[in-house]
Amino acid sequence: GESVGLHLPTLSVQEGDNSIINCAYSNSASDYFIWYKQESGKGPQFIIDIRSNMDKRQGQRVTVLLNKTVKHLSLQIAATQPGDSAVYFCAENRNDYKLSFGAGTTVTVRA
Amino acid sequence: IAGITQAPTSQILAAGRRMTLRCTQDMRHNAMYWYRQDLGLGLRLIHYSNTAGTTGKGEVPDGYSVSRANTDDFPLTLASAVPSQTSVYFCASSAAAYSNQPQHFGDGTRLSIL
Repeated sequence: GESVGLHLPTLSVQEGDNSIINCAYSNSASDYFIWYKQESGKGPQFIIDIRSNMDKRQGQRVTVLLNKTVKHLSLQIAATQPGDSAVYFCAENRNDYKLSFGAGTTVTVRA
Repeated sequence: IAGITQAPTSQILAAGRRMTLRCTQDMRHNAMYWYRQDLGLGLRLIHYSNTAGTTGKGEVPDGYSVSRANTDDFPLTLASAVPSQTSVYFCASSAAAYSNQPQHFGDGTRLSIL
């Protein structure tokens, strides 16, 4: 069946280092993916999205990579800052244009 | 810019009571959604509305109802609350339903059913 999942539930990163958060998906027909950031007590906040006709997309300090061959998605955060501490979710647009979310990865930034 | 406003921010409710969670957006988005978020389960879709006047069932619709009388408002009602409905509820919207566009979320309602 369709599923979106994350390889690791937690990630600890030294401030200033780069972070890489991974996500696996199972529906090869999915054509749109989104990364969200959720801080404690807040709703998910849109970070970046990518369509299946792209392999890479860059934003401000973030890069999303899509590998359709192995159905893998990653979010790279450059020069991680304390404000990047949060739970990160990947989401996949199903065939009916409804989003399917992974369980999330908790990122903790060490000073 | 408000985006999506949810009310109340939190509520403690006795089992069996009726409760309506409010959601209002000011972005003139056509599509709106209700999710519940439970630890370890991520976000699960309860109900959605592709445009004003229409609604549909998501993954976990039982025990919940919605209405979409206008573009801006999308209330979620628990007719008779049960403890398993204790959760954090998020409302979201997107510009169009059948398109690859991101959904934007409110800050949630934390609901405890005793």
